[in-house]
Parts: sequence; structure tokens; C-alpha cells
Amino acid sequence: EDKVVQSPLSLVVHEGDTVTLNCSYEVTNFRSLLWYKQEKKAPTFLFMLTSSGIEKKSGRLSSILDKKELFSILNITATQTGDSAVYLCAVNNNAGNMLTFGGGTRLMVKP
Amino acid sequence: GAGVSQSPSNKVTEKGKDVELRCDPISGHTALYWYRQSLGQGLEFLIYFQGNSAPDKSGLPSDRFSAERTGGSVSTLTIQRTQQEDSAVYLCASSHTTTGELFFGEGSRLTVL
Repeated sequence: EDKVVQSPLSLVVHEGDTVTLNCSYEVTNFRSLLWYKQEKKAPTFLFMLTSSGIEKKSGRLSSILDKKELFSILNITATQTGDSAVYLCAVNNNAGNMLTFGGGTRLMVKP
Repeated sequence: GAGVSQSPSNKVTEKGKDVELRCDPISGHTALYWYRQSLGQGLEFLIYFQGNSAPDKSGLPSDRFSAERTGGSVSTLTIQRTQQEDSAVYLCASSHTTTGELFFGEGSRLTVL
């Protein structure tokens, strides 16, 4: 059974801080790892990672995958209050039928 | 449509009643998923539809749960004889392929009293 574990469970920082969110996984026939941001209801897509060592970047957010050690990190630099959300990590296997989600990391950025 | 549309956005029902939740995926997306999210928890997979193939029902928690997808588009998730533990946000998502990103709807919040 595929498994995704995220840490920390929650995090409180101040604006301007840099944060690193962790995602480790166990999956049969790994295909991809995805990061989502969930502010209120609908998770919104951030990144999809398929190859080790290649950083994906979007503004202040970046993510990288290590397929040997089976983990990914999501970095947010110069955090803003608008970054406050639950960040979800999910993995897709080669069966491709579904994403298995981790429990999420709740990030709160204080002014 | 422009995005995944779900209805109702909120549903309060009494224990033992049946409920239907509707999902209208993005036009042209062949894959449709239902997930459930209990308070403070991650997303739990329920069921997956891909084109005309038989759905993957492996995540449905009991036989009180069923779903159908008519005409390869709109999907309905039905929960019979609702229980309090069914209270959650039910999220629908669609994607163009099985390997791509999922686009989520705003969810249907179900409260069973």
C-alpha cells in the first residue's frame, strides 16, 4: 500500500522567514510526486516532480525530489501571510489510478 | 466549464438519510476522482473513473457508498443511510490524463447529525 508522510504537521513563522516542508513516501512503481496548496477548500496545484535532483521553481516556491532517499522538500522563501495554508504532498504510481495524499503540513505565517 | 463544479456546497442531513453529491468536471477531462477529507486530515481516495473503463472503487469505505458517471461527464456520489462518521468534505477532481495534475472542485461539506 502506497504511503506518504509529511512533516512537520504544523508550522508557525513570521513574514520574511524561509520554510522547508518535508514529504517522504513509499510507493510501488513510482511515477510522480505532486505538491498542492489548500487554503480553504479546493487544493490548487503547485508542482509535479518526476526526476531526481531537478529543482522546480515558481516565484518564491521551489521543490526538489530525491528518488533514492524517497523524499521531496518544498521551500518557501520570504514568506508572506498569503502563504498560510495546508500544503499537501501526493504520489502517483504507474497504475495511475489515483494520487495517495499525505496528511499535510499546516503553515501559518504571522505578520 | 471553466473549473470543476460541485453541488451542493453544504449539506446537513439526519442520520439514516440518503444523500447525493454532484460533480461536473472540466470539459474534455476523461479522468474523474472522488476524495474525502475529514476535519484536519489528508485526502482519502474513494473512487476513480477513466473514460468508458470500469471504475476503480477500491477506496469506497462501505457498500453504502456508490458513484456513477453518466455520459463520461457528470458524476454523482451517493451515500445511503448516512452515519455521523460520514461527515466530511467530499472533493471531486478531474484531469486530462491519469498522469497529470488533478484539478479540484470546491468540495461538498456533508454534516450528518
